[in-house]
Amino acid sequence: DAGVIQSPRHEVTEMGQEVTLRCKPISGHDYLFWYRQTMMRGLELLIYFNNNVPIDDSGMPEDRFSAKMPNASFSTLKIQPSEPRDSAVYFCASTSTSGSREQYFGPGTRLTVT
Amino acid sequence: AQSVTQLDSQVPVFEEAPVELRCNYSSSVSVYLFWYVQYPNQGLQLLLKYLSGSTLVKGINGFEAEFNKSQTSFHLRKPSVHISDTAEYFCSLTGGGSYIPTFGRGTSLIVHP
Repeated sequence: DAGVIQSPRHEVTEMGQEVTLRCKPISGHDYLFWYRQTMMRGLELLIYFNNNVPIDDSGMPEDRFSAKMPNASFSTLKIQPSEPRDSAVYFCASTSTSGSREQYFGPGTRLTVT
Repeated sequence: AQSVTQLDSQVPVFEEAPVELRCNYSSSVSVYLFWYVQYPNQGLQLLLKYLSGSTLVKGINGFEAEFNKSQTSFHLRKPSVHISDTAEYFCSLTGGGSYIPTFGRGTSLIVHP
């Protein structure tokens, strides 16, 4: 398997623009997680899905953030409008309930909002 | 509620010296424990895990960790580090029937020549 795939790897945008981050989990994994990593706040869980259904989005910082999982092989995290404080590395991870609970992380998307 | 505490934010060490990265946890249910490593500009990858059985678990790159239930600890060790071990290390747990992990803040291991 190719592992968790994220795109783009780097995104530079101006404040106020819409940003969409994409994730393809490992095939057969039934949990998908979105994280944000910054120096100040460390690794934060934003939202997670189970069988494509959002279960807990209490980590989403504001209404400007939204996430969808239209099918088992694709998820998006959208920020609209983006702000400089959204600059961070965003990770997608997946895991399987038939496995040993370890998380498989993608390479991340480094977002810079100017 | 569950929590993970990594007591050291940064651990500097010389090459070929031993190292221990500390992790303590709190949970009211049985736990599954993990150590992940994050190299610069990469995602986290699994180093080792404790699910049950032997309390000493071995992982990749010569790392090992010991689960100590009485001290609620899961410290990571390596007898001799290399420059290439310079990275961020995260301790994590899931508890009971949950698949939702709790991560520590991470420990930056800096190996000097």
